[in-house]
Formats: sequence, structure tokens, C-alpha cells
Amino acid sequence: DTAVSQTPKYLVTQMGNDKSIKCEQNLGHDTMYWYKQDSKKFLKIMFSYNNKELIINETVPNRFSPKSPDKAHLNLHINSLELGDSAVYFCASSQLLAFSSYNEQFFGPGTRLTVL
Amino acid sequence: GENVEQHPSTLSVQEGDSAVIKCTYSDSASNYFPWYKQELGKGPQLIIDIRSNVGEKKDQRIAVTLNKTAKHFSLHITETQPEDSAVYFCAAIERGRRALTFGSGTRLQVQP
Repeated sequence: DTAVSQTPKYLVTQMGNDKSIKCEQNLGHDTMYWYKQDSKKFLKIMFSYNNKELIINETVPNRFSPKSPDKAHLNLHINSLELGDSAVYFCASSQLLAFSSYNEQFFGPGTRLTVL
Repeated sequence: GENVEQHPSTLSVQEGDSAVIKCTYSDSASNYFPWYKQELGKGPQLIIDIRSNVGEKKDQRIAVTLNKTAKHFSLHITETQPEDSAVYFCAAIERGRRALTFGSGTRLQVQP
């Protein structure tokens, strides 16, 4: 019973290619996130969607485009991949209790992207 | 925006000893402070969290303390076991913002 799942787990590709990472959660949460973890293990938010609406869009190149077809899915499409995009990408989800109250964020297993 | 600093970056202890990891945050509006454990090849997993209206919280061998005035919070693990070995992240979330700002992580190694 996977709570937050991501596909693929590993992605190796050439510079300049376009690739997508898919994320699905079966927790009934209304908010989903994409985080990037670099080679030094630093975790940083990229995007967040609440009820399919984009609510956080950090300083991320336009080559990265999230898409949320429904509350349970948040996909990440990356155009014109660069060497610096190599990282582990984590999807997460949570249920907002109220505007100023928070609940646990559940993370997926990650997708390790390697750009050659 | 929020900035979270975490120390130490690595920590090695003997099995049975205690481990303490400390974090400071910059934004006094932050009101939720979770701690995550990340094992090799896996996603971060919440181990304990604390909200700004509480000073301390304990769950078996794990405890977290929060000092709002000084803007720092700490993770305490007692009676460490080899399976506690992992990377631990502190995080903070600002009131009104819906994403976590993470510390830089602490690699904990528990020697048997």
C-alpha cells in the first residue's frame, strides 16, 4: 500500500532531452510538492499544488513545468535537460488542516535523475 | 524567507549513547518544526514534529525541544541503536507558506 509513489526510480538521459517524472498519492491529500535533493543532500522546494492549483513556484528554470491533472497526481516535466539537473527529485503530499496549521508531509521514494 | 541552519553535519556515537542535533531558524513567524529521517536510497520520513505553542515533545527514545525566543530547536535521541544510523533533517514552515525549508542534514552513525 504505497502512500506516495514515483516513476521512474532511476532516469539516465542525455543533455538536451526532455523527460517526465510521475507522482501519485493515495492518501486523499489536497496538496502535493516537488523537492530537489542535490549531491550534498540539500533538500529544496520547487513547486507546490493545492487542489490542482499552483501555490508555490520557487526560482526554478522555465524548463521545469509541473502539471497536476487531479488532486492525486503531480507530474514534473523537464525540457532541454542540463548536467546541473542531475539530482534526486522527491514528490510529497500533505493535507492542510487550516491556513496556519500543518500536517505531516509524506515523501515518495525519489527519482534519481542523471544527465550525461 | 526562512533560513534553517543545522549542526553538526556529521555525528558518530557509540550504541547506547545519546545524540543531539541542533537547528536554528530565522523567521519568527515559523510555527511548525518537523524532523525527518532519511535512510539510504529512500525518501525522508517524519519521526517527530513540534508546533510553536509547545516547548517539548517526546516519543519513546526521541524528543524535540523548541526555544521560540532563541529561535532554535533540537532533536534528542537516547539509547541509540545501529538502526538509528541515517541522515536527519530539521525543517521549518512559515505561517502562511505551504512548503518546508530544510536544514542541511546531519549524518548520524551509531557504532555497534
